[in-house]
Amino acid sequence: EPEVTQTPSHQVTQMGQEVILRCVPISNHLYFYWYRQILGQKVEFLVSFYNNEISEKSEIFDDQFSVERPDGSNFTLKIRSTKLEDSAMYFCASSAGSYGGDEQFFGPGTRLTVL
Amino acid sequence: GENVEQHPSTLSVQEGDSAVIKCTYSDSASNYFPWYKQELGKGPQLIIDIRSNVGEKKDQRIAVTLNKTAKHFSLHITETQPEDSAVYFCAARYSSASKIIFGSGTRLSIRP
Repeated sequence: EPEVTQTPSHQVTQMGQEVILRCVPISNHLYFYWYRQILGQKVEFLVSFYNNEISEKSEIFDDQFSVERPDGSNFTLKIRSTKLEDSAMYFCASSAGSYGGDEQFFGPGTRLTVL
Repeated sequence: GENVEQHPSTLSVQEGDSAVIKCTYSDSASNYFPWYKQELGKGPQLIIDIRSNVGEKKDQRIAVTLNKTAKHFSLHITETQPEDSAVYFCAARYSSASKIIFGSGTRLSIRP
């Protein structure tokens, strides 16, 4: 069964450093998302991406964040200058779209720890 | 803004008994209500969903009900088994391909 994959599974970084979290969505999907989950809290939406541009973003997704689809398979989330409060699980998700089904399938997550 | 409230935050039931988790949503434009199961160290996994033109949906031991007027929906798990132990999230979405708004989660424990 096709699945969303994410790398790395765990990333440790120093405050102020840049990190890139990587995702490979399901191959025929057109819509891509990033969510985050601070330990013990609810899953929060960050950004959605379609047709090579951001469709929607939350107030969490400020200028320190960016997303990119550098090739036909990867979808990345970059945090330019990490803060302690960026420590969380980051989940990538994808959906086929209106014609192929709109369920969002989540990856296993990347645990980001900012020291 | 959009909000989804979920309760209880923790639930412990005897194996074989039923479990019920309840959620309310604030945005009356919401039309899709998925439920996710999250096991330790994994991402949320869709277990069942319901759309606003349906009042109830069942899949084996799992059922969801939706009351659009009251803006609440519930997850029912019957004949609970140890593998049902996990965190369950309700969620709402107001249009296709838009963001999902999650509830705060319910940690379900099944006592042997």
